Amino acid sequence: QSVLTQPPSVSAAPGQKVTISCSGSNSNFGRSYVSWYQQLSGAAPKLLIYENDKRPSGIPDRFSASKSATSATLGITGLQTGDEADYYCGAWNTGLSAGVVFGGGTKLTVL
Amino acid sequence: EVQLMESGGGLVQPGGSLRLSCATSGFTFSSSAMSWVRQAPGEGLEWVSAITAGGGTTYYADSVKGRFIISRDNSKNTVYLQMNSLRVEDTATYYCARVPSFFFDFYSNFDYWGQGTLVTVSS
Repeated sequence: QSVLTQPPSVSAAPGQKVTISCSGSNSNFGRSYVSWYQQLSGAAPKLLIYENDKRPSGIPDRFSASKSATSATLGITGLQTGDEADYYCGAWNTGLSAGVVFGGGTKLTVL
Repeated sequence: EVQLMESGGGLVQPGGSLRLSCATSGFTFSSSAMSWVRQAPGEGLEWVSAITAGGGTTYYADSVKGRFIISRDNSKNTVYLQMNSLRVEDTATYYCARVPSFFFDFYSNFDYWGQGTLVTVSS
């Protein structure tokens, strides 16, 4: 069971906007930064967002993110069929065993 | 161009061992922490292990602690994962990923990933 909780699935029509939530306890959200990854079918994950809200070079501004004390949100506007993928949040876990934890993933379907 | 290429996966019996390698190019390897992340068939991502850029500090998920060992050879731009006492539940695609900093900490993320190597643990 993931320490970070994501909805299993979300869907929206092309051109619309969708948000994906990622909820965690203070032990990992309070001090750590959240990153988001996109995994297309059969491919390796790809970094979309780092340090809560920063986009790597080459990631379009249709992708945005924010973070509060105990949750983070990924937003995607102007949905395209090519955005259909699994999306994962990740954050540092300050429990007894330090490391990174991932959410369970959210399957985005573009209808 | 940054490239990461895993190798060493395959079929192994429960209790067996396997060593994964991740050869890298296109960046200053000795300045980046490195990590392994796995994904069981049809499941989500699970962080496995990480090592700082200098190799002095290692980190492990509880699920592999005491069984897996991460190491690196900065002269060969390669990171390794020695997997011992393998269990059926270790079956997964193992990805090598770069951490864009010297250390592995609160700021850490994984900015480049390899294509993965499949490890199957079965009798």
